[in-house]
This record gives sequence, structure tokens and C-alpha cells, in this order.
Amino acid sequence: AQSVTQPDIHITVSEGASLELRCNYSYGATPYLFWYVQSPGQGLQLLLKYFSGDTLVQGIKGFEAEFKRSQSSFNLRKPSVHWSDAAEYFCAVGPEGQGAQKLVFGQGTRLTINP
Amino acid sequence: DTEVTQTPKHLVMGMTNKKSLKCEQHMGHRAMYWYKQKAKKPPELMFVYSYEKLSINESVPSRFSPECPNSSLLNLHLHALQPEDSALYLCASSQTDRGSYGYTFGSGTRLTVV
Repeated sequence: AQSVTQPDIHITVSEGASLELRCNYSYGATPYLFWYVQSPGQGLQLLLKYFSGDTLVQGIKGFEAEFKRSQSSFNLRKPSVHWSDAAEYFCAVGPEGQGAQKLVFGQGTRLTINP
Repeated sequence: DTEVTQTPKHLVMGMTNKKSLKCEQHMGHRAMYWYKQKAKKPPELMFVYSYEKLSINESVPSRFSPECPNSSLLNLHLHALQPEDSALYLCASSQTDRGSYGYTFGSGTRLTVV
């Protein structure tokens, strides 16, 4: 069965510092990988997604993620965080193919930004 | 239009009440989803509709009843809920014709059962 692990429950970084959020997945076929961000009391917003091709994916708000098949990882990075990046971040994996997609979410990583 | 709209944003209901949550999208997505999210947890899938037909029910109690009247609308009818059903209920939609593009989520309905 597919699964997603986000090893870090909570991360604190200083404003302007670089950020890396970890995501490891377990999936038997070619995975479709996603990062979502959720501000308190809000829905989830898609940051970026990986299907195939270039393993370094650019997303919105200055985020990027790198797919490493050998490590089953899809880590999210940002070179310089802003106070507005404080939120919950979810990694998700989904199946290849057409039709309705059942995504599996990781447990989330809460990001706190120190001024 | 690139949004999923959910109404109401907040709902307080008693355990004997009947209420409905509404979700609407005009992106031409033919898959729509209901998720339940408790505080500090990831979303949990409840129901999936594909081309207006229920395709997945994740063993959700019958006090939750989904309905998809047309390709743009998704409802979740609530009846005789329990306090533990208090949560953020999220609707999402996705394309179906060219593989997984991920979901577009609504901002959710914060439900409190008293």
C-alpha cells in the first residue's frame, strides 16, 4: 500500500534562512507527488507537483522540490523563508492514470518562522 | 474560475439537527471529493465522486450522506451527528482525463457539533 512519511512534525527556522522539509514515500509504481500548504483554518493550496521529466520541480511562492527515486524522497526547499510561510505543509502521493485520484497524505510538518 | 467554493464557512449544529454542506466548482473537473480533517492531522478521505457517481466510500457512517446533483455541485448531508464529528470538512476536485493533476481544495467548512 502506498504511504507517505514526513519525519519532522515541527520545524522552526529564522526569517531569511533556508528551508528543507522532508518527504519519503512508498509506492509500487510511478508515483505522482505533491506538496500542499495549509494556513490555519484554511483549505490546502497546491505548491507544486511532480509527474515525470525533470526531477527538480519549481512551484509557487518560491518553493521547489527534488524527486530522488533512489531515496524515495521528494523534499521541499526554499532558499529564504518569509514570515508568511508559517503554515502546515503536507506531502502527498497519488496513482498514475486517468480518473478520480485517491491521494495519500503525510502527517504534515508545521513550520514556525522566528523573526 | 479556478476555485472550489464551500458554504457555509462555519456551522454549529445540535446532535438532532439536519444540515447540509455545499461545494461548487466550475473548472470542468469530473472528480469531486469530501475530506474530513481534525486538528493537527492530515485530511482523511470520506467520499469520491467520478462523473457524478459515487466511486469510493471510505466506510463513513451513514449519518453522513453525500450527493452529487450535477457535475459542478457536491453536497454532504448531515444528520444525527456526534460531537466527535466536529472537524474541518474539505471539498476538492480534480481533472480526470489526463492523469493525476492533484486536487484543488476549497477553504472548508468548520463544523462544530454540540
